[in-house]
Order: sequence, then structure tokens, then C-alpha cells
Amino acid sequence: AQSVTQLDSHVSVSEGTPVLLRCNYSSSYSPSLFWYVQHPNKGLQLLLKYTSAATLVKGINGFEAEFKKSETSFHLTKPSAHMSDAAEYFCVVSDLAWSGTYKYIFGTGTRLKVLA
Amino acid sequence: DGGITQSPKYLFRKEGQNVTLSCEQNLNHDAMYWYRQDPGQGLRLIYYSQIVNDFQKGDIAEGYSVSREKKESFPLTVTSAQKNPTAFYLCASSGVAGGALEKLFFGSGTQLSVL
Repeated sequence: AQSVTQLDSHVSVSEGTPVLLRCNYSSSYSPSLFWYVQHPNKGLQLLLKYTSAATLVKGINGFEAEFKKSETSFHLTKPSAHMSDAAEYFCVVSDLAWSGTYKYIFGTGTRLKVLA
Repeated sequence: DGGITQSPKYLFRKEGQNVTLSCEQNLNHDAMYWYRQDPGQGLRLIYYSQIVNDFQKGDIAEGYSVSREKKESFPLTVTSAQKNPTAFYLCASSGVAGGALEKLFFGSGTQLSVL
């Protein structure tokens, strides 16, 4: 079965400095990987997804993630943090169940705090 | 506009009571999912369904039940056997294109509390 581990439950950065949110996954086949963001009292929004095309995936709001199969990682980065980036971020991996059905497995989330 | 509608937004359950959360989608998606969100635990999968009249247990199915009689609808019942039902419940749906999973579309959620 697939699983996903977000290595940091909380990350704090200063405005204008780079953001790195770490995600490792386990997979017995080539997975689809996603990053979602959840702002306070708002719904979940897709930032980006990887589906075996390019290993470097660009998303919305300046975020990008690199799929590294050798490291089983899919870390999310942004060159310069903005106050509006403060939110909770979820790394998600697809899982192919024994029944042939797909499901999505969420990490436990990383809460990003941006300091002025 | 296409989307997922969850109702009610807030729900209160008394001891020993079953309650049902509604989820309807007009996106023509085959797959639908129910997640439970607790602080610090991310989203945990309760049940999912990929076709009508078929569904599978997720990681935390005990104390919950679902049905999928129509493609558009995937209601979740929280039974009295669920001893810790207070949580935020999210319904989602997705499609598949070219053998790859599409993104998840989420409803706005239902906050369930125990009286």
C-alpha cells in the first residue's frame, strides 16, 4: 500500500525567503502525486500534480515540486514567501487498491507560518 | 456551475443517534470519497466508491456506513457505534483521464459535533 510522510508538522519562514515543505512517499508502482493547500476556513485547493510527465512540476502562486524517484520525495518549494501563503499544506499520493480502484492518501499536513 | 454540495454545514448528534451527511455532485465523476479531518491528523479516508452500487472501506470505516445508489450521490451515515464522531467531514469526487487520476474536487464540508 502507498503511504505519504510529511516530515514537518510546522514550518516558519520570513516573508521574502524561500519555502521548503518536505514530502516522502512509498509506492509499489508509479504514483500520481499532488500538493493541496487549505487556508483557514476555506476549502482545499490543488496547487500542483505530478503524473509521470515532467519531474519538475509548476503549480499556482509560484509553487513548484520536484519528483525524485531515487529519493521517493516530492518536496514543495517557492522562491519567496508571501504573507498570503500562510496555510496548511497537504501532500497526497494515489494508491491502487487490490480491487483495482484508486484512492488518495493524504499526509498529516504541514502548517506554514510566514513572519513579517 | 459544476461542483460538490455537502449539507448540512453544521450537525449535532445526540448519544446513540445515527446521523446522515449528504453529498451531491454534478461533475459526472465516477469516483467519490469521504474523508474525516481532525487537527494534526490530515485527512483520513472513511469510504470511497468508484461506481454505482459499489464502495470500499477506507482506513477508518468503523462506525460509518455509506450507499451509492446514484452516480451523483454518496451519503455518509455516522452510526452510534462511532464513539468519537466530532470532526470535520469532507466529501470529494474525481475523474480519471488517460489512465491518470484527475484532481480531487471537494465539498465545503460538514462540522459534526456531539451534544
